Amino acid sequence: NAGVMQNPRHLVRRRGQEARLRCSPMKGHSHVYWYRQLPEEGLKFMVYLQKENIIDESGMPKERFSAEFPKEGPSILRIQQVVRGDSAAYFCASSPPGLADSTDTQYFGPGTRLTVL
Amino acid sequence: GEDVEQSLFLSVREGDSSVINCTYTDSSSTYLYWYKQEPGAGLQLLTYIFSNMDMKQDQRLTVLLNKKDKHLSLRIADTQTGDSAIYFCAEYGDSSYKLIFGSGTRLLVRP
Repeated sequence: NAGVMQNPRHLVRRRGQEARLRCSPMKGHSHVYWYRQLPEEGLKFMVYLQKENIIDESGMPKERFSAEFPKEGPSILRIQQVVRGDSAAYFCASSPPGLADSTDTQYFGPGTRLTVL
Repeated sequence: GEDVEQSLFLSVREGDSSVINCTYTDSSSTYLYWYKQEPGAGLQLLTYIFSNMDMKQDQRLTVLLNKKDKHLSLRIADTQTGDSAIYFCAEYGDSSYKLIFGSGTRLLVRP
């Protein structure tokens, strides 16, 4: 069973460009979470999605950031008009539907490291 | 508010035990987690403990939970150089899905 997959692993953008980060959850998982890790810090929650629904986006900046998890295909985190402060590692995690996994455990992908020049 | 705190750095000799400490503020957490992050890599789930337990042992790892003091610790026995990494504790707080992470403890294992 493949783990959570993220691509690209590294992404370099110039200020003002768009960044698209993709996440494919583990097989059988329908819940996806995005976290951001700034240098030398822990991970901070951004958004929680289920298929075609945004459940909680309270951790996501109101401007320039958006996320989706379509019926088919990976979850996408999109950052428009990137600025230097967006440079960070972005991690995706997934968990099974409902409480099938009694630990409610989130399994993390390898992350996408975004560098804004 | 919800907060998870960890010491920033720990250095031990190979073969010694390592103890990484964590304090949290939200007493409603059901599960508490330890994740390991190696340089440039993602987070690997190491172990977790249910809040009604005091201790959990898993091979070289021992997790101790003191609910009264809201203190969690991870002990690694016979620490190896491959254990060098950043260790994060995390809890759900009052949410069932929003993990709250500490800032991580960087463990350095000296040969």
